[in-house]
Amino acid sequence: QSALTQPPSVSGSPGQSVTISCTGTSSDVGSYNRVSWYQQAPGTAPKLLIYEVSNRPSGVPDRFSGSKSGNTASLTISGLQAEDEADYYCSSHTSRSTYVFGTGTTVTVL
Amino acid sequence: QVQLQESGPGLVKPSETLSLTCTVSGDSITYYYWSWIRQPPGKGLEWIAYIYYSGSTNYNPSLKSRVTISIDTSKSHFSLKLSSVTAADTAVYYCVGLNSLYNWFDPWGQGTLVTVSS
Repeated sequence: QSALTQPPSVSGSPGQSVTISCTGTSSDVGSYNRVSWYQQAPGTAPKLLIYEVSNRPSGVPDRFSGSKSGNTASLTISGLQAEDEADYYCSSHTSRSTYVFGTGTTVTVL
Repeated sequence: QVQLQESGPGLVKPSETLSLTCTVSGDSITYYYWSWIRQPPGKGLEWIAYIYYSGSTNYNPSLKSRVTISIDTSKSHFSLKLSSVTAADTAVYYCVGLNSLYNWFDPWGQGTLVTVSS
């Protein structure tokens, strides 16, 4: 199974919005609403941000939102803050009942 | 609150078998699916395998021939074995809870770095 495709990096100024795409296939992202997103600060384990495309676990700020269209899922960070600088990964369930992660995106706050 | 802790050798020789254990505390090991995920230095995340307390498993097709995941509910831990390792298997290995209903990975262990080198 191939990794889901994410842009290597995105950047924005404080207060702006940035969107990270996550492109898969009809065997993973396109077939299920089982896409999740994770934030990883340097030297730490990933943290769950979004599950089932657009749901936020308790404690995650509503600045983080998710969506999906066809084979591409997206994570939007609104009102970008300095603390949002991190790596972000998407993940999807697949038709083989396995899981696949995205290639990862580094968010830089200018 | 569930907590996970990985343990095992930090250095493994090429061609040998990498063995890691994850101890689960704070809740019953029967409540979740359990997974291993790895991250080579400076690279992205790779899902390795999952297991349920019943023994049901599934593996990443690219690693399936070399990986075994197992669970010991009496000791509240699950384990990973990866055979015939090479330098490409050098990574931080995370043990992670998998919510099979909502398909999310949480909680995560702190991760343990395993280096493959002679």
